[in-house]
Amino acid sequence: NAGVTQTPKFRILKIGQSMTLQCTQDMNHNYMYWYRQDPGMGLKLIYYSVGAGITDKGEVPNGYNVSRSTTEDFPLRLELAAPSQTSVYFCASSYRTGGTEAFFGQGTRLTVV
Amino acid sequence: AQTVTQSQPEMSVQEAETVTLSCTYDTSENNYYLFWYKQPPSRQMILVIRQEAYKQQNATENRFSVNFQKAAKSFSLKISDSQLGDTAMYFCASGSYNTDKLIFGTGTRLQVFP
Repeated sequence: NAGVTQTPKFRILKIGQSMTLQCTQDMNHNYMYWYRQDPGMGLKLIYYSVGAGITDKGEVPNGYNVSRSTTEDFPLRLELAAPSQTSVYFCASSYRTGGTEAFFGQGTRLTVV
Repeated sequence: AQTVTQSQPEMSVQEAETVTLSCTYDTSENNYYLFWYKQPPSRQMILVIRQEAYKQQNATENRFSVNFQKAAKSFSLKISDSQLGDTAMYFCASGSYNTDKLIFGTGTRLQVFP
């Protein structure tokens, strides 16, 4: 069972570069989420999606973009990377929100230098 | 707006002892759920326990139990008979049927000593 798969696991970017963090789930979940985890700050919601073609902003969306063209994939795009975007990024999915368990990927450690 | 607050950045406990991690939350929703997730050094997020707000009975999963105080908006996690493998970050989170967001607290780092 693959669950939620994130790639890459590690990445170093230079200031101003762009990149896409990939996230794929094979559980046919409607809901998908992107979080960032900064030391001592917990997980902050960047963007989320309730189904293909539908996305919405979370708590900290600035500097990021997402798309959801299929149920399985929910890529996160960083444009013009900044040092403030150095963080660990987690993708998660759930059947629905509310009381269902969210399943997480292994995370991507991103450093912007 | 949903908010989740964990006021204990770090806790420690001796093996086989009991420890309680605190969490308070705020929500305007009537139908909501609360969760505790564990994040060991591997970084993998693991669901520990969940509580439906409409249930008065506190949830229990083996050595893990919660003390859910709805009026006080408090949701603490009790770990009994602590084991070395319980060493991890613990996150409290809330979600609801009416909003689509799953919101996390800042976490509590738990260290279990032999």
